[in-house]
Amino acid sequence: NAGVTQTPKFRVLKTGQSMTLLCAQDMNHEYMYWYRQDPGMGLRLIHYSVGEGTTAKGEVPDGYNVSRLKKQNFLLGLESAAPSQTSVYFCASLTGTGAYEQYFGPGTRLTVT
Amino acid sequence: AQSVTQPDIHITVSEGASLELRCNYSYGATPYLFWYVQSPGQGLQLLLKYFSGDTLVQGIKGFEAEFKRSQSSFNLRKPSVHWSDAAEYFCAVGVPTSGNTPLVFGKGTRLSVIA
Repeated sequence: NAGVTQTPKFRVLKTGQSMTLLCAQDMNHEYMYWYRQDPGMGLRLIHYSVGEGTTAKGEVPDGYNVSRLKKQNFLLGLESAAPSQTSVYFCASLTGTGAYEQYFGPGTRLTVT
Repeated sequence: AQSVTQPDIHITVSEGASLELRCNYSYGATPYLFWYVQSPGQGLQLLLKYFSGDTLVQGIKGFEAEFKRSQSSFNLRKPSVHWSDAAEYFCAVGVPTSGNTPLVFGKGTRLSVIA
């Protein structure tokens, strides 16, 4: 049981390049989330999903897109990366029943030059 | 909408001293409350949570937190800090009636431990 995994762990992009971050969970959780973490800003929600095939905007969605084609995967896309998207990205999942505990992945450190 | 305030950006304590990290929330009813810890370069780990019942909750690593409805607070405490407790701590609030509503996190408190 790997929990929540994120791919890649590190990435450097040039301005204007695109990439996709992959989050995978093997706990059969309904809900999945993408956050970004910046110094002094805490965690800010980018997008989230309450089930396969659904997505919703969070606090800071601009410049990002997401997809949840399979229940276990939640993809975060940057179509045209900007330096302001330099951050650490965390994925989390939640069962949706009972425990209400979010499980976090180890993070992806993205630098946009 | 719910919100969370962690008034202290950075706290330094001596090893062996007691610790209290403050968390205040804004929500119209009793929310779900959480404390997470993040060690450098790591993801977030749940320390403890409060849903209902006993207002003093025990967590991992010797931490506890007390829910005070009258003060809208959920402060984290530890009687004797160890150097390995140096990390960033996040308080979070959730809405009990809806699992669809994501947790809202505070901006975090960075804890430094000195010898």
